[in-house]
Amino acid sequence: DAKTTQPPSMDCAEGRAANLPCNHSTISGNEYVYWYRQIHSQGPQYIIHGLKNNETNEMASLIITEDRKSSTLILPHATLRDTAVYYCIVSPSAGGTSYGKLTFGQGTILTVHP
Amino acid sequence: DTGVSQDPRHKITKRGQNVTFRCDPISEHNRLYWYRQTLGQGPEFLTYFQNEAQLEKSRLLSDRFSAERPKGSFSTLEIQRTEQGDSAMYLCASSWSGSSDTQYFGPGTRLTVL
Repeated sequence: DAKTTQPPSMDCAEGRAANLPCNHSTISGNEYVYWYRQIHSQGPQYIIHGLKNNETNEMASLIITEDRKSSTLILPHATLRDTAVYYCIVSPSAGGTSYGKLTFGQGTILTVHP
Repeated sequence: DTGVSQDPRHKITKRGQNVTFRCDPISEHNRLYWYRQTLGQGPEFLTYFQNEAQLEKSRLLSDRFSAERPKGSFSTLEIQRTEQGDSAMYLCASSWSGSSDTQYFGPGTRLTVL
């Protein structure tokens, strides 16, 4: 599975956009980019995923570069409740030998300040 | 909302005792995963099932660990002869095998071995 690199921590002011970067320079053509977050003592929460195109849902936007070697998760208006560890994961699509297993790294600790 | 549920949420046991955890996946999901998370680390994959078949097991799953999913619905994870090193959060996730296999996590079971 492709590895990801994320900054260990980031800060953001409440109400501002939080932009969380992720490098995945060894990503394969059939691998998706997933983002999860984990609030203290809870299970990871799915946020968004994408393959090639930018994606948006009610929680966030995902911007994937054209070469797919990096991506950015955007929380458009961060709130205090968005304080969490954010994980960027690449995982194969159906049919890959590692299909079904998520490999979590250390993630980025996002702290949203009042 | 019928998300992934886990029982118990917390378990305290003495070293050498056996413990069993249960996971109920989202009802239409055919894949079920177990992960383990120790303090300060991201979740680590343990094993996964498609329907009732256990398709992959991590090297982390020692002989003292066994997982079952007898009817392709709920799953149990048993740890025999617990050790202090087994203290961790045990997470369950489920998904529908498809083009992206998005996994949804339960709240976890926090195990403390004294």
